[in-house]
Amino acid sequence: GAGVSQSPRYKVAKRGQDVALRCDPISGHVSLFWYQQALGQGPEFLTYFQNEAQLDKSGLPSDRFFAERPEGSVSTLKIQRTQQEDSAVYLCASSPLRSTDTQYFGPGTRLTVL
Amino acid sequence: GENVEQHPSTLSVQEGDSAVIKCTYSDSASNYFPWYKQELGKRPQLIIDIRSNVGEKKDQRIAVTLNKTAKHFSLHITETQPEDSAVYFCAATNAGGTSYGKLTFGQGTILTVHP
Repeated sequence: GAGVSQSPRYKVAKRGQDVALRCDPISGHVSLFWYQQALGQGPEFLTYFQNEAQLDKSGLPSDRFFAERPEGSVSTLKIQRTQQEDSAVYLCASSPLRSTDTQYFGPGTRLTVL
Repeated sequence: GENVEQHPSTLSVQEGDSAVIKCTYSDSASNYFPWYKQELGKRPQLIIDIRSNVGEKKDQRIAVTLNKTAKHFSLHITETQPEDSAVYFCAATNAGGTSYGKLTFGQGTILTVHP
């Protein structure tokens, strides 16, 4: 079946612009995670949703970062007033039900802030 | 919170040799340890995982071992092939606990298999 998809795959923003990154999880998956992957590093946790509820946002680096999943399926990560240090690949992952389930990753969105 | 250290950062082997990547973790409550393979510009793909109730798991040429006492786990790839070349990440989490299964990743190992 279809895997996790993300759009856009690439985004170039000027410093100060707002961006919105979309994640389409595998259909029926309850859990959804966002991770940030800097160049040459492992992914780092940003936030977690169980259905539409955002249960953990401890990894969001600042109040410029905001995520939502209003209907418990598609999720959007929004970054306001982008800064150069926001440049990274943003990965979305979903898992079927429990936190013990395997996470399946999307291809990521590569954000470059100029 | 959890901290995962991964070594080596780069590993170069000849085709047919074995490759071993090691990770240590800090949180004794962690109980789920997946390994992901990431090719350049692609998504991380799960290749094998292990839970804390077992010490070793094998899948064809890939195996993972876990030592809970020492808080370390390792990935073993035998009979390496050029298509094994990629970045490998270990991760740890307290699945089923209050961390909701969020993964803490190691820094990655760039594996290069020379034909």
